[in-house]
Amino acid sequence: DTAVSQTPKYLVTQMGNDKSIKCEQNLGHDTMYWYKQDSKKFLKIMFSYNNKELIINETVPNRFSPKSPDKAHLNLHINSLELGDSAVYFCASSQSPQGFYEQYFGPGTRLTVT
Amino acid sequence: KNQVEQSPQSLIILEGKNCTLQCNYTVSPFSNLRWYKQDTGRGPVSLTIMTFSENTKSNGRYTATLDADTKQSSLHITASQLSDSASYICVVTQVNAGNMLTFGGGTRLMVKP
Repeated sequence: DTAVSQTPKYLVTQMGNDKSIKCEQNLGHDTMYWYKQDSKKFLKIMFSYNNKELIINETVPNRFSPKSPDKAHLNLHINSLELGDSAVYFCASSQSPQGFYEQYFGPGTRLTVT
Repeated sequence: KNQVEQSPQSLIILEGKNCTLQCNYTVSPFSNLRWYKQDTGRGPVSLTIMTFSENTKSNGRYTATLDADTKQSSLHITASQLSDSASYICVVTQVNAGNMLTFGGGTRLMVKP
């Protein structure tokens, strides 16, 4: 009965590879997000989609490309992986992009680039 | 410098004791301030959310306070339990940045028996 799920939970890959992380929410929310949590534990927004449309695109290398096939899914594709991409990536969703609504986070995907 | 600073970075207390975590922020204007609990290997879970006009909000043994004048917030945990061991993250929503959340680095709390 998971609200926000991500796959895979762990991802180990080599530099230069292309990988994808998938996210699904069953809360009926309109808005989904991708966050990156670095080694110092700071969470930073990468992207936000509302009703499948991109509304927030922070300063993220264009090697990162989000894709939202429908409101319940937001996938993250990363090309030409670099060592600095190693981090935990969290997907989240909320009822609306309005700031007061609660954001529900997935369990995270730990990406390790070797 | 991060716009949301938390202290202490880490804290160890004995089970049953109380503790207070601090959050100072420079984000302005902001619409709300949240406290999240993040267990190891899990995503953050919301504890409290306060608008700029609220001073305090409770959720069980967790009580958050907010002083918008001094731009400070605190999270007080009463009668700590072993399951309180986690990172506690202060998050401020920026009004002029598309309602983006700005996260503090968290306080790592360990409750020992």
